[in-house]
Amino acid sequence: DTAVSQTPKYLVTQMGNDKSIKCEQNLGHDTMYWYKQDSKKFLKIMFSYNNKELIINETVPNRFSPKSPDKAHLNLHINSLELGDSAVYFCASSQDWGSGNTIYFGEGSWLTVV
Amino acid sequence: GESVGLHLPTLSVQEGDNSIINCAYSNSASDYFIWYKQESGKGPQFIIDIRSNMDKRQGQRVTVLLNKTVKHLSLQIAATQPGDSAVYFCAENWGTNAGKSTFGDGTTLTVKP
Repeated sequence: DTAVSQTPKYLVTQMGNDKSIKCEQNLGHDTMYWYKQDSKKFLKIMFSYNNKELIINETVPNRFSPKSPDKAHLNLHINSLELGDSAVYFCASSQDWGSGNTIYFGEGSWLTVV
Repeated sequence: GESVGLHLPTLSVQEGDNSIINCAYSNSASDYFIWYKQESGKGPQFIIDIRSNMDKRQGQRVTVLLNKTVKHLSLQIAATQPGDSAVYFCAENWGTNAGKSTFGDGTTLTVKP
């Protein structure tokens, strides 16, 4: 019954590796997001897709590449992981991209780069 | 108990007391504001929102107050319960895109039994 689900929940990996985080929403929403939350709990938008099209691409290293095979899925691939990539990554969705929409967050994926 | 948002990121209150969590937002053009609750190990969860044409909105045990003159937002929680312990974020939005909301630093609320 989870509305926005992301896997894995925990990921520990070495520097230089490539990893992916998968996200799926069963709410029928058109818009999906990836957020990064640092160790101080600061939450920042990374990407947003609306109906599989990229609509927000904040200043994020190009080692991060989102992919949306359909509007219910938004995956995040990270190449050449660095220590500074350690954070919690949240997937989220909303009915559409308009500003009044409630954003529904997943439970987060804790990424630790060692 | 009351926080002053960015300068006091933690608030500790006794169960049953009222809590006030404050937030100073940055953009005078912001027209939509949201409060989120994030419990330990979970993602942020929508609590309540308010548009700039209002100065007060009430939900179940929660009230949001907006003072546009001083760019200040507050979340009042009545009869605080242990289950209210979490980090609370305010977010402001001034565009047309929900994803462009800017989140504040968050205030950690701890409810003592």
